[in-house]
Amino acid sequence: GAGVSQSPRYKVAKRGQDVALRCDPISGHVSLFWYQQALGQGPEFLTYFQNEAQLDKSGLPSDRFFAERPEGSVSTLKIQRTQQEDSAVYLCASSLVSQTMNTEAFFGQGTRLTVV
Amino acid sequence: AQSVAQPEDQVKVAEGNPLTVKCTYSVSGNPYLFWYVQYPNRGLQFLLKYITGDNLVKGSYGFEAEFNKSQTSFHLKKPSALVSDSALYFCAVRLYNAGNMLTFGGGTRLMVKP
Repeated sequence: GAGVSQSPRYKVAKRGQDVALRCDPISGHVSLFWYQQALGQGPEFLTYFQNEAQLDKSGLPSDRFFAERPEGSVSTLKIQRTQQEDSAVYLCASSLVSQTMNTEAFFGQGTRLTVV
Repeated sequence: AQSVAQPEDQVKVAEGNPLTVKCTYSVSGNPYLFWYVQYPNRGLQFLLKYITGDNLVKGSYGFEAEFNKSQTSFHLKKPSALVSDSALYFCAVRLYNAGNMLTFGGGTRLMVKP
């Protein structure tokens, strides 16, 4: 596609419910990132994939958070037993190459998760 | 640990005036620095980056940024602001050999008044 696509754009979940957020990166992009952006704050890193391999998950806040990219393309971020503090915008980004130090990442519009 | 600070939550300028959005960083090695802009209900859009070379970097929409190693700063500038520049701006750093993630500042809301 033309850009990074995320779905759904908005998600309201009851506390304790499981949610799954989808990211379609730009076609051919090797690297994929998930970030969490709380209201009024900058994005914070959650996890990073190079193709299907999850190389860094140091930013995942708890074991309720799980991400996968089984075929090296689409990625899903799953949050189990959601809590109110999980309310945030979840951003997905992709980069063309694996050596991403000097390349910019392209971001999707994000999924706004509200836990009630 | 690396960090990025944007000391101003909000910057207000009049249309046609120059604008500066400040960013300072704290890293132990050579940083790769980025600026992104976020419009309402839109994702982050890349503006410019500093990797190496000239300290003055030019980017999209007439924006530029100056890398100052001694002051550990990477301020975003534009000679003449437009009302359409009003948005949320984020500075980010990636440290060489410290993972691929970006570390973002807290953001600065730029308001350009007609």
